[in-house]
Amino acid sequence: DTEVTQTPKHLVMGMTNKKSLKCEQHMGHRAMYWYKQKAKKPPELMFVYSYEKLSINESVPSRFSPECPNSSLLNLHLHALQPEDSALYLCASSQESGQNSPLHFGNGTRLTVT
Amino acid sequence: GEDVEQSLFLSVREGDSSVINCTYTDSSSTYLYWYKQEPGAGLQLLTYIFSNMDMKQDQRLTVLLNKKDKHLSLRIADTQTGDSAIYFCAESLRGATNKLIFGTGTLLAVQP
Repeated sequence: DTEVTQTPKHLVMGMTNKKSLKCEQHMGHRAMYWYKQKAKKPPELMFVYSYEKLSINESVPSRFSPECPNSSLLNLHLHALQPEDSALYLCASSQESGQNSPLHFGNGTRLTVT
Repeated sequence: GEDVEQSLFLSVREGDSSVINCTYTDSSSTYLYWYKQEPGAGLQLLTYIFSNMDMKQDQRLTVLLNKKDKHLSLRIADTQTGDSAIYFCAESLRGATNKLIFGTGTLLAVQP
């Protein structure tokens, strides 16, 4: 069982829809991450939050909008997505954002854009 | 560069040892990680090693690091069918934020 919980597990949305992915951790971690993973590929970093502030945006298109309401929650708001955005979206957290803090991942949300 | 390379596939028999290899290119990496991903699941942290170490053992897992050759390996002793999964190595680049660069992943198939 993972200590990082992601909802929903699966999501199908049309290109004109607005939806949100949610991530929660109760390990007291102060850094949270969004990764995108296409089929048969490694995860790719999208965003990093450290102490509830956005510290890294890996040039992600604005149709993806992250939000960190508090230290336990991380959302990813989706709007006007394209079919090529279909992927597994993984949330992760770490105790701190420094290099000696291993990332702990959730089980992901499988997103399909139709 | 930030390329992390792994062989794509490894097949072993149950009870044998598995060795999964990883080559990274950024000599400034400080921590190197191994993650396991089962079908339809997220990534499970298996173990990690600091760059000033050359070996770390954790139960059935042994990590070897050759910093000169930028080569990392994961040995799984007494491999079980439950070990079948994709294994990713990842390097943590030097800098203020823990930015992981993942390898291409190795699919381990364990035959009964």
